[in-house]
Amino acid sequence: EIVLTQSPGTLSLSPGERATLSCRASQSVSSNYLVWYQQKPGQAPRLLIHAASTRAVGLPDRFSGSGSGTDFTLTISRLEPEDFAVYYCQQYGSSPWTFGQGTKVEIK
Amino acid sequence: QVQLQESGPGLVKPSETLSLTCTVSGGSISSYYWSWIRQPPGKGLEWIGYIYYSGSTDYNPSLKSRVTISVDTSKNQFSLKLTSVTAADTAVYYCARRPRKWYYLDYWGQGTLVTVSS
Repeated sequence: EIVLTQSPGTLSLSPGERATLSCRASQSVSSNYLVWYQQKPGQAPRLLIHAASTRAVGLPDRFSGSGSGTDFTLTISRLEPEDFAVYYCQQYGSSPWTFGQGTKVEIK
Repeated sequence: QVQLQESGPGLVKPSETLSLTCTVSGGSISSYYWSWIRQPPGKGLEWIGYIYYSGSTDYNPSLKSRVTISVDTSKNQFSLKLTSVTAADTAVYYCARRPRKWYYLDYWGQGTLVTVSS
């Protein structure tokens, strides 16, 4: 099973600041199979990025994804109030599909 | 607009079977993978398994001995059965869709809380 480790666990930032979230895999994952989701309290996760760097339809360009192999990054260039949420990475490279434990982006 | 809606009992007794159904509206169940994911209160996401519309399945090994996912294309529904539940199975259960040629879950249900308690 591929274990995804996200860091940091919590990121305390102010609106307008840059957020950098990390997702590290226990073994190499093809970029095609790495996804990022956003989850707000009481809501289902929402697709943000697939294939490591492709934004979902309608996603603002302040969100970007990068990385390859075992190290992937989600960057939010300038945080908006609606971006404060929990972010999960997920891999489809091998079964079972696994999620990281999440990074909470909170208002400082 | 595709919509997914989970339904089923919100309370299940220990050792019994958890049964949930996901109804897909606004689109066909054909040519997609349909997944169940769960989230214990205050914790992260766990993939339970998927079924392809044709009936092929894959399950998380951690749950495989207790899980069955089935599909009813005539009703545009798929279902989850989890046997011998314990308090550790208390979670919000989500159903979600994965397009055949793509690797992501693009549509999710709102989720339903299932509590295991006597």
